[in-house]
Amino acid sequence: AQKITQTQPGMFVQEKEAVTLDCTYDTSDPSYGLFWYKQPSSGEMIFLIYQGSYDQQNATEGRYSLNFQKARKSANLVISASQLGDSAMYFCAMRENGLQGAQKLVFGQGTRLTINP
Amino acid sequence: NAGVTQTPKFRVLKTGQSMTLLCAQDMNHEYMYWYRQDPGMGLRLIHYSVGEGTTAKGEVPDGYNVSRLKKQNFLLGLESAAPSQTSVYFCASTIGQGYRYEQYFGPGTRLTVT
Repeated sequence: AQKITQTQPGMFVQEKEAVTLDCTYDTSDPSYGLFWYKQPSSGEMIFLIYQGSYDQQNATEGRYSLNFQKARKSANLVISASQLGDSAMYFCAMRENGLQGAQKLVFGQGTRLTINP
Repeated sequence: NAGVTQTPKFRVLKTGQSMTLLCAQDMNHEYMYWYRQDPGMGLRLIHYSVGEGTTAKGEVPDGYNVSRLKKQNFLLGLESAAPSQTSVYFCASTIGQGYRYEQYFGPGTRLTVT
């Protein structure tokens, strides 16, 4: 079974600093994908970034980048120039193959990020 | 384009009561999913559907049933609610089999069972 581990329950960062949120995973499937979602206090799930196991380059989306180290089985999210609005829960998730091509997501327990002014 | 919507937003049930949660999407997505999120935890998959009339179990299916009679709707039923089913329920959908397709989530339903 696939597993996602986020070892940082909470992080506190000063505004404008960069922050790295850790995610390690465990799978025996050579083809997999990793997602990061943001959940603000309002509760909705917001997709941030995706990394495929065969992607040659680390994924980037604006201020978000993914530090993908396949040999270490880690997929850390890097947020550059943090903003107050980045305060939220962040979840790392792995795609697990389901019936007829469905992609079941397995989530980590999340990291609560607080940006201080 | 409303995306993924969920009805109701909040509900309080007594132990043993039944209810149905409705998820609707207007993006013509084939795949739909139901997750639950307990306090301080990540989401866990309950059931999912790969198209009209076809559903499958996820990680935590016990105590729930689902139906997908129309492509745009995915229903989650609790036949006899238990306090352990107190949670926030999220519905999600995705367009197809592509691995990098993100799942679009609804706003969630907060259910309390007393």
